[in-house]
Amino acid sequence: KAGVTQTPRYLIKTRGQQVTLSCSPISGHRSVSWYQQTPGQGLQFLFEYFSETQRNKGNFPGRFSGRQFSNSRSEMNVSTLELGDSALYLCASTLGPIQETQYFGPGTRLLVL
Amino acid sequence: GNSVTQMEGPVTLSEEAFLTINCTYTATGYPSLFWYVQYPGEGLQLLLKATKADDKGSNKGFEATYRKETTSFHLEKGSVQVSDSAVYFCALSPLGVGNEKLTFGTGTRLTIIP
Repeated sequence: KAGVTQTPRYLIKTRGQQVTLSCSPISGHRSVSWYQQTPGQGLQFLFEYFSETQRNKGNFPGRFSGRQFSNSRSEMNVSTLELGDSALYLCASTLGPIQETQYFGPGTRLLVL
Repeated sequence: GNSVTQMEGPVTLSEEAFLTINCTYTATGYPSLFWYVQYPGEGLQLLLKATKADDKGSNKGFEATYRKETTSFHLEKGSVQVSDSAVYFCALSPLGVGNEKLTFGTGTRLTIIP
């Protein structure tokens, strides 16, 4: 069974631009979570989607948004990019709403210049 | 709120040495506890988990025991290998439901020298 896939793997943008990252969960998994990883702040939770509904949201500004499609694929969008948004963005999937193990993708590394 | 405090790194050990990476947590209720590992250039992989007090998670020679009385989940391995070099993250999931956000420690970089 294929794991969690994320595209693109690497991305370079400039300040003020926007970016969309994509995550395809493991087949049959219906929940997707997003995390931001930076050297300074470590791993921080962004949001979680289940059945196309956002169930949880971390403490990030409104520039960070996401959505989930009927096939469970998820996208996250960051508008008006700032230098501090440079990070590794990780996506994780679980089978359903009451599953304990999150399976992570390889991440998308975003560099904002 | 929930928090995880992890042993500061980096940690450098010789091959076949004994490894301990300390992890303590603060949480309401009875969280599930996890250790994840991140190899260079990759995402996170679940290493082991424990869902209730006194549970012992184990995988690939690594072990950790959920100690509620000391709110700890220390990672141990009896004989490390060069291939164990990676960053290790302790994490908790509140109320044992994995789809709630995972709260991570800061990570401990482990380097094993031959």
